[in-house]
Amino acid sequence: DAGITQSPRHKVTETGTPVTLRCHQTENHRYMYWYRQDPGHGLRLIHYSYGVKDTDKGEVSDGYSVSRSKTEDFLLTLESATSSQTSVYFCASSGQGYFYGYTFGSGTRLTVV
Amino acid sequence: QQQVKQSPQSLIVQKGGISIINCAYENTAFDYFPWYQQFPGKGPALLIAIRPDVSEKKEGRFTISFNKSAKQFSLHIMDSQPGDSATYFCAPDMDSSYKLIFGSGTRLLVRP
Repeated sequence: DAGITQSPRHKVTETGTPVTLRCHQTENHRYMYWYRQDPGHGLRLIHYSYGVKDTDKGEVSDGYSVSRSKTEDFLLTLESATSSQTSVYFCASSGQGYFYGYTFGSGTRLTVV
Repeated sequence: QQQVKQSPQSLIVQKGGISIINCAYENTAFDYFPWYQQFPGKGPALLIAIRPDVSEKKEGRFTISFNKSAKQFSLHIMDSQPGDSATYFCAPDMDSSYKLIFGSGTRLLVRP
C-alpha cells in the first residue's frame, strides 16, 4: 500500500445521500483508477484518470463521478448512494508504464443502508 | 465483453503441494501478463508478470507459464504454504490501454 492512502477506510451511509471517497498518492503517478470489488465479480473499473482534469469512464461508471484537480488526488463521488453500490472500493495508480504494474490502496468498505 | 476468464474460482491445496491457476484471454493485442495477489483487507499487489517473448518466468516458488497460441497463461505456486492463502487475479494488459481488466479471481486456501 506504499504511496496510496484511501479515506475513509469504512463508511456507512443512507440511501440517497451523496458520498465522496478520497484517494491520495505520493508516487507522482500520472494514471489513477477507481475499482470496486464484489464477490463473484472480481475487480471492476469504475473510472480512471490519465492526467489532471483528464478522466474517462470504466466498465461500471453509472451512478459515479470523479474529479482530479491535482496529480496526487483522485475523488470518487456517488451522487445519490444506492444499496447496489455497497462494495469495497479500491484506488490504484500507475506511472512508469503499464509493465511496471499498478499500486493499490487498502480500500474503502462502503455500506449503503 | 468477457475478455479475461480465470479458473478455478477457488482452490484448496495441502501444504507442500502445487497450486495452479489459469487465465484465458481474447485480445491478441495484450503483451503484458501479470498476476496480482490480494490478502484479506488489503489491496491487490503485483506478484509476478511475463512478457510474450518468453514462455516461462520463475521467481522463487512462483512461475508463470505462457501459451501464446492458446491465449492462456498460468500461475504455478510450488511448495505451497499457508501464507500463500490469498486471492489471485490475472490482469493482461497492453500499452496505452489505460484500462486494466482483471479476471474474476481465484481464492486459494493452503491447508497446514
